[in-house]
Amino acid sequence: QSVLTQPPSVSAAPGQKVTISCSGSSSNIGSYYVSWYQQLPGTAPKLLIYDNNKRPSGIPDRFSGSKSGTSATLGITGLQTGDEADYYCGTWDTSLSAGVFGGGTKLTVL
Amino acid sequence: EVQLLESGGALVQPGGSLRLSCAASGFTFSGPWMHWVRQAPGKGLVWVSRIKGDGSKTNYADSVRGRFTISRDNAKNTLYLQMNSLRAEDTAVYYCAKDYSNWATDVWGQGTTVTVSS
Repeated sequence: QSVLTQPPSVSAAPGQKVTISCSGSSSNIGSYYVSWYQQLPGTAPKLLIYDNNKRPSGIPDRFSGSKSGTSATLGITGLQTGDEADYYCGTWDTSLSAGVFGGGTKLTVL
Repeated sequence: EVQLLESGGALVQPGGSLRLSCAASGFTFSGPWMHWVRQAPGKGLVWVSRIKGDGSKTNYADSVRGRFTISRDNAKNTLYLQMNSLRAEDTAVYYCAKDYSNWATDVWGQGTTVTVSS
């Protein structure tokens, strides 16, 4: 059981937009920055979004992040088949003094 | 090129010990926090531990506190994870990762596999 809650799966057609939610509490998302990761099959995770809504160099603006209260959202527009992957949200939990991830969301591009 | 390379994964019996290493290159290793994250087969990411750049502060997940110890040798640009009293549920791919901003990690190694089984 993960501290952060994500939907197990989402799907959309190529070219469409999808959002992935991440729900937490006042001790994690509510009080700290959220980051998002993409994990393609058989590879290490890749940072997509940090500090709630910032993109590292090289990440296309098709990927966006937002945060409101104790929830965060990852948005992906112009879906491509290469976007099929597992996506994870993560943050620091100030009560646990530990990092926490969501359980992951599998994106299928139909 | 910024790179992290883990090593030390192996098959170990329950109750045994193992030390993982993570060799860093391409950045000033002594600067950022460094993390260990694990992923059990077919499961999600689980944060394990982190250590401050100068080694003065550490944090652990409840599931490993008291059994695992994170450390670093900045002279050797190497991060370590000493794992004792290993359990079957510690079986996972272990990744080291470099902190980028406010816990977000921007560079990950390829992972090293730890299997705890008799």
